[in-house]
Amino acid sequence: AQSVTQLGSHVSVSEGALVLLRCNYSSSVPPYLFWYVQYPNQGLQLLLKYTSAATLVKGINGFEAEFKKSETSFHLTKPSAHMSDAAEYFCAVRDFGNEKLTFGTGTRLTIIP
Amino acid sequence: NAGVTQTPKFRILKIGQSMTLQCTQDMNHNYMYWYRQDPGMGLKLIYYSVGAGITDKGEVPNGYNVSRSTTEDFPLRLELAAPSQTSVYFCASSYRSYNEQFFGPGTRLTVL
Repeated sequence: AQSVTQLGSHVSVSEGALVLLRCNYSSSVPPYLFWYVQYPNQGLQLLLKYTSAATLVKGINGFEAEFKKSETSFHLTKPSAHMSDAAEYFCAVRDFGNEKLTFGTGTRLTIIP
Repeated sequence: NAGVTQTPKFRILKIGQSMTLQCTQDMNHNYMYWYRQDPGMGLKLIYYSVGAGITDKGEVPNGYNVSRSTTEDFPLRLELAAPSQTSVYFCASSYRSYNEQFFGPGTRLTVL
């Protein structure tokens, strides 16, 4: 079964610093990959998705992620953190032929003023 | 266009009580999903539906039931509530399984 690993349940960065949130998946075939963000007391909303087109995917709010097949990774980055980026971030994977998403356990991002 | 709506926002149940969590989407999406979110555990799929009249179990279906009589509605039924069902429940929908899922605001359920 597909699994998703998010390294670091909590990540803290200073305002203006680089944000790097890690995601690794287990599929041997490149799947569909997603990053979602959850602000406090809200549902999840899509940041970006990879669907086998460009390996570098740009999303909303200045976030981007790079698909690396050799590393089975899909890490999320943002060059300069903003206070409004404080939230929980989830990586999710869907295999071809599978109608379901598998979510990682999430990474809570804290921004230090 | 309201997207995905869920009611109620909060609910406290006593052990053994039953309730239905409501979910409605107005985007004419074929796929609908129910997840539960527990701290540090991510989201776990309870049930999903690929269209009206078709439902299937997800990862954690025990203690729950669903039905899908219309495209818009996908209620989740809890029978004989247990403390282990204390969680935040999210409904989501998508046009196709590979499309983005749109999430509702969630229902926070406590079973005492």
